[in-house]
Order: sequence, then C-alpha cells, then structure tokens
Amino acid sequence: GQNIDQPTEMTATEGAIVQINCTYQTSGFNGLFWYQQHAGEAPTFLSYNVLDGLEEKGRFSSFLSRSKGYSYLLLKELQMKDSASYLCAVRPRNSGNTPLVFGKGTRLSVIA
Amino acid sequence: NAGVTQTPKFRILKIGQSMTLQCTQDMNHNYMYWYRQDPGMGLKLIYYSVGAGITDKGEVPNGYNVSRSTTEDFPLRLELAAPSQTSVYFCASRQPRGQGGNNEQFFGPGTRLTVL
Repeated sequence: GQNIDQPTEMTATEGAIVQINCTYQTSGFNGLFWYQQHAGEAPTFLSYNVLDGLEEKGRFSSFLSRSKGYSYLLLKELQMKDSASYLCAVRPRNSGNTPLVFGKGTRLSVIA
Repeated sequence: NAGVTQTPKFRILKIGQSMTLQCTQDMNHNYMYWYRQDPGMGLKLIYYSVGAGITDKGEVPNGYNVSRSTTEDFPLRLELAAPSQTSVYFCASRQPRGQGGNNEQFFGPGTRLTVL
C-alpha cells in the first residue's frame, strides 16, 4: 500500500520560519508535490520535486531525499495569510499516468 | 481561461436520491480526477480519466459512477445517496509533461454535499 505521513497541526509566529515534514512509503516514485489549501477553498499547487535537493520559490522551498523517503516544505518570513493546510502528495509509480496519493495535510496556524 | 469549474457549489440530498456533480475544464487537459475530502482527512481519489472515453477507479469508487464523453467534461454521478457520501468533492485536471504540460494539477472550487 501507499503511506504518506505528515504532522496534523503546527503553530508558528508571524515573521518566523517553519518546516513541515513529510515521509512516504510508496511502490515506486515519480515525483512529490506540495499543495496549499485555505479553509473552505480548493488546493493550489506550491511545488514539485522529482530529484533530490532543494527547490526554492520565493518564501517557499521544498526539499526531497528519495533514499530516505522524506521531504519538507520550508516557509520563511511567515505571514498571517500563510495560515492554511499544507498537503504532501506523491505519484507512486514510475508512470505519468499514476494518480497522486495525498497525505492528510498539516494545518498551520500563524500567530502574531 | 476559467480553469476548472464545478456545479453546484452546495447541495443537500435525501437518502436514496441521485444527482450528478458537474465538472468542466477549458485548458484542454487530458487527465481529470474526482476526489472527496472529509474533515481532517486528505483527498481520496474516487475516479479518474486519462482521456475522452477512458475512465478508471480510484481508491474509493463504490457508490459513484463517471463518464468522459468529451475532453472538457467529467461528471460524477451518485445513484443512491447515503449519509457516508456527505463530503466535499473536488474535481481536478492536469496535462502531463510528455503531452506538453508541467504536471501541475488544477483543482475546481469544490461541491459541498450533505446527505440527510
């Protein structure tokens, strides 16, 4: 089966840095995705990693280690609008057809 | 581009009623998906399609049916609504890298369904 784990909730202070971890055990691997979902809204794409290393996009960075089955999403200079759920998702097989498997999401609360 | 659109936004059904959740995308994406999301849970895949005329079951297909007669539309049918189908339903689409896309998956705004 496919298993993706991430913390249920996190709290961080405005202006700080927060790291949201994701571990996965899947049959094959063809990419890891992070999505942001504000309450009552649809998920929106944040990042995509298929090779080991760090991908940086403005205040957000995502890291992948395929040998460890591990990724993290790093959010810098936190803003109140970053309060949302962050979903980790993996494409489990070495095929572009295979649908994503999603973790349960990490609900991040940014406090003043 | 409107992206992915879903109707209705909200619906209340009685047990045993049927309904169709509509999903349309105007990005000419080949791949389309239906997910359900229950409170505190991740997205569970119901059905997906890799092109017109092709559909496949996801993780939780029981109680649902789909069709894909055109590239743009991917309706989800509930035949005999049950309280366990109370959820938020998201439709999504993407175009794979090998077909000119970038793997980003776009989601519709969701349909909030309550079965009483």
